[in-house]
Parts: sequence; C-alpha cells; structure tokens
Amino acid sequence: QLVLTQSPSASASLGASVKLTCTLSSGHSNYAIAWHQQQPEKAPRYLMKLNSDGSHTKGDGIPDRFSGSSSGAERYLTISSLQSEDEADYYCQTWGTGIRVFGGGTKLTVL
Amino acid sequence: EVQLLESGGGLVQPGGSLRLSCAASGFTFSSYAMSWVRQAPGKGLEWVSGISGSGGSTHYADSVKGRFTISRDNSKNTLYLQINNLRAEDTAVYYCAKDPDPSNWYFDLWGRGTLVTVSS
Repeated sequence: QLVLTQSPSASASLGASVKLTCTLSSGHSNYAIAWHQQQPEKAPRYLMKLNSDGSHTKGDGIPDRFSGSSSGAERYLTISSLQSEDEADYYCQTWGTGIRVFGGGTKLTVL
Repeated sequence: EVQLLESGGGLVQPGGSLRLSCAASGFTFSSYAMSWVRQAPGKGLEWVSGISGSGGSTHYADSVKGRFTISRDNSKNTLYLQINNLRAEDTAVYYCAKDPDPSNWYFDLWGRGTLVTVSS
C-alpha cells in the first residue's frame, strides 16, 4: 500500500534552516513526490517535484530558499533563511496507478 | 493568467446532492488531467477523484466511490464533481487541481476552493 508519512509538527527560528521529511512506504522507495505549501487560511501551493535521485523541479516563483533532496525512501524539503511567511502546513504527495496520495502534513512554526 | 476557480459549494442537508464546478483559464484545458482534492475542517488534504484530459479515464478514492462522479466539458474549460447522498463527513473545502503532464500525477496548479457544509 502506497503511504506517505510526515511528522505532524516542526519548528525553527527566524533566519534559521529547517528540513522536513516525508517517508515512502516499503516497496515504493523509487517514487517521486511533490511538495505543497498551505499557508493559514489559504489554498495549497505547489512548491516542487522531487525525484528519487534528489533532482527537483520547482514551481514558478518559488524562492531559492526552498530545496529538495532524497535518500532511500526519504524525501526532504529544506527551507533556509526562514521567514515568517514560511509558517505553514507542508504536504508531500505522490501517485500510483489510478491514485494520488497525500502525507498527513507537517505544521511548521517559525519561532 | 493561469487559474482555476471553483464554485457550487454551500450548505446541504444529509442525503442531498450538489454539483461543484471548476472554471479553468490561461492554459489548454483539454491537454491536462485534473483532480478534486478536499480538506475537512482542521484536517489534511485528501485526494478525491481524477480525470484524464480527454475525460475518457476517471479514478476515485475508495471513500467516495459510488457517490461522487467527476466529469469535464472541454468546450467550456470546466471540471465538475457531482456529489450524491451527502454525509456529514463530506463537509470540507473542495479544491480542483491540475496535473503538469500525462506522466506525472502531481498538482502544479490549485484553485482557491469551495466550501461544502453538510448539516441539517
């Protein structure tokens, strides 16, 4: 079964960096994922597609502060130079035959 | 401007029906698969249904099979979601979202959402 697992919460200080993790279920470690950001009371926004080799394609207008990387079944989203507007929920998403799957989301708090 | 705009949400009684619409603009609508994604209050994102660019292929989450029907009218650049036999657990903001190409089933464009509330 295709499942994505995310930690429910994370926090980091203004100006610091944070690395969010999304873990693919067993047998799916070569899957690509996408990262989406949802700021409070707003619609989700596409951030990037992240491949198993760590290569990624960002959406239009996504700052260089956002980057992705991969290791085995883990997919990472790193946000550097944290700003207040980065406080949001972050969702990873993948797909299989006929289905799309979301992780449970990570709520990022900027201290 | 490339955008998706949902409409059709509202307050509906349990057992009722509703049809949601998503108007697309700024891109060649018929070339892209589309999906509906919902978010219950205070919860995460849940993919509900997807449809190919031609409309010939549709997919549904197990939680909505048999009650939800996705369709599209490429001449009107519009995506639809027919929801029947509504339940309290269908209360959510419903977003439409676009795939970037036929080989990649993630979402590179989101609408603003429309709220569906199921309550007596």
